Amino acid sequence: EADIYQTPRYLVIGTGKKITLECSQTMGHDKMYWYQQDPGMELHLIHYSYGVNSTEKGDLSSESTVSRIRTEHFPLTLESARPSHTSQYLCASSDHGSYGSYEQYFGPGTRLTVT
Amino acid sequence: EDKVVQSPLSLVVHEGDTVTLNCSYEVTNFRSLLWYKQEKKAPTFLFMLTSSGIEKKSGRLSSILDKKELFSILNITATQTGDSAIYLCAVHGSGNTGKLIFGQGTTLQVKP
Repeated sequence: EADIYQTPRYLVIGTGKKITLECSQTMGHDKMYWYQQDPGMELHLIHYSYGVNSTEKGDLSSESTVSRIRTEHFPLTLESARPSHTSQYLCASSDHGSYGSYEQYFGPGTRLTVT
Repeated sequence: EDKVVQSPLSLVVHEGDTVTLNCSYEVTNFRSLLWYKQEKKAPTFLFMLTSSGIEKKSGRLSSILDKKELFSILNITATQTGDSAIYLCAVHGSGNTGKLIFGQGTTLQVKP
């Protein structure tokens, strides 16, 4: 079973607040990812990391930022939350893998509501 | 532009029915195709397919890949209400990034 954790699981916050969504994995995976998923819609990659001190923006533009100071930790920060940020945020990780073996393990998600 | 398309988008069946979910893709430098099941929260891994024509099987679920025609199917036989979920198809494409491109998912509802 995958060991990837996200906190908080649910968050309701007012507009303009700064928030950090936490994601940690204990599998020693180099690669980590953040996805945004609206109800009934597909997952959109917003950030990913190849390893410590390596982060890239994903396919969907996002006002959030990420950091990767430790292998196991990949927090996502919104400096000033807005109602448009209301969504589910999923964190995932994967290891190097041999050819084609990039199975991603997902955390339980954080459901964010900005009022 | 890389893309993954799933069909149907939603499906309602009765317990005991067999269903087939489709996933077609256009991806640069295909590496693998993955199926996930998403219930209330996080997607859980079902299958990874890298080679054409080799069926992967787990209980009542099975999947196969056709790299020539660029699609995969996920079969569920003797469906149960616990199979109700969103089934996601994702493709790992170019580069060594591990990035997955997800389809929009098929929502399956199995009625008693």
